[in-house]
Order: sequence, then structure tokens, then C-alpha cells
Amino acid sequence: EVQLVESGGGLVQPGGSLRLSCAASGFAFSSYWMQWVRQAPGKGLVWVSLINEDGSITNYADSVRGRFTISRDNAKNTLYLQMNGLRAEDTAVYSCARDHCSSTACYRMDVWGQGTTVTVSS
Amino acid sequence: QSVLTQPPSASGTPGQRVTISCSGSSSNIGSHTVNWYQHLPGTAPKLLIYSGNQRPSGVPDRFSGSRSGTSASLAISGLQSEDEADYYCAAWDDSLNGFWVFGGGTKLTVL
Repeated sequence: EVQLVESGGGLVQPGGSLRLSCAASGFAFSSYWMQWVRQAPGKGLVWVSLINEDGSITNYADSVRGRFTISRDNAKNTLYLQMNGLRAEDTAVYSCARDHCSSTACYRMDVWGQGTTVTVSS
Repeated sequence: QSVLTQPPSASGTPGQRVTISCSGSSSNIGSHTVNWYQHLPGTAPKLLIYSGNQRPSGVPDRFSGSRSGTSASLAISGLQSEDEADYYCAAWDDSLNGFWVFGGGTKLTVL
């Protein structure tokens, strides 16, 4: 079964750090671009970050650039999101998704995890 | 505020046809096809429509998509109670090295 399972969420104080993980199974993880998407309470889906198959291409939403770092370990079939300098507005459910991309665009996020909850509060 | 604009709510009775609109710009919908997702709270978003009007395996043909210029729409025919969910449009945006943009979501209520 093709599956993505996120972990690592929790309650953290403003300014703190968390590392999210996304474990992939049932498909050739190293052949796909991967995305992180978040949903704040009562709000819609918002793109956070992307990474290409070998980790040489990354991009970030302006709201997290310089604070978050996306990475992957293809040997472990795992995607990561290192989140530093967390703010209250980062509170959200974070989901990873598999994507189909070329060198110029991405086309569809077709497999998603259920997400892990990050709460930033004192 | 989302980059793509969707109505916050839509409704219909069982058997009806409903449409949900999604408006964007030249750098996203105007240049790339639109994907549609169905999302129930606490679950993973489900890809309903991709590349404008393609359905993944298992998605019934009651769901269809279309695009014109910088706008797109999702149509659901033969509305069923299990269609009650949040629906999001998404498109690739060419600006800033490329990234995904989403609509704010439309809550569909089956009356």
C-alpha cells in the first residue's frame, strides 16, 4: 500500500524548534519530488516547501524561508522538515505529499499523509 | 488570504449538480492545469481531478473539471450525501522559482 505517515508534531514554545518526519512506503520514494503543506485551525491548505528527488532543489514559502529546512534521506525513505524560530502563526497540521514534477513545474500531489499537529504556544 | 479564490460555501440536494469556482491569475491557472482535492477533517486530502479533467482511479465520473483563462471549476453531478466535504483547487505558480497555490476551500453541504 502506498502510504505517507507524518510524525514529530507537538507543543512548543515560541522561538522553539521541531523536526517533522514523513515516512514513505509502498513506492519508490527516491523517484519523487515531495512537498510539505500545512493547514492552520479553521483555515485552508497552504504550501510550505518542496524538495526534488535527490535534495538538490528546494523551495520555501516566504512565511517560512530562513526558518524551516526541508531535507530527505532516500536510504530511509523519509522526508524531514526542520522548523526553527517557531511562531504562533506556524500552528497547523503539517502534511507531506508525493508530487509528480519536471524540471520546470509540478503537476499533481497524489498521495498525502494525514498530518501531524504542531502547536506553538507559551 | 489565499492566492486562488473560491466561494467559502456551496450546497445542493441529493441528485443535484453543483459547481465550485476557482479564480486565479496568469502565473498559475492561466499557465497550468488545476487540481481539485476533497478533504474531510482529520483525513488526508484526496486528489479528485488533475491536469484539468483527469480522474485518478477510483474517483467516480460524477466529478469533472474545466478551465477557461484564469478560472476553473469543479462540477459534481448526482450529488450524494458522502460528497459533503471541503473542496480545494490548486495550481502550480511560476513565480518565485515555482510553488503550489491553493484556494481557500469551499465547504459543500448536502441538504
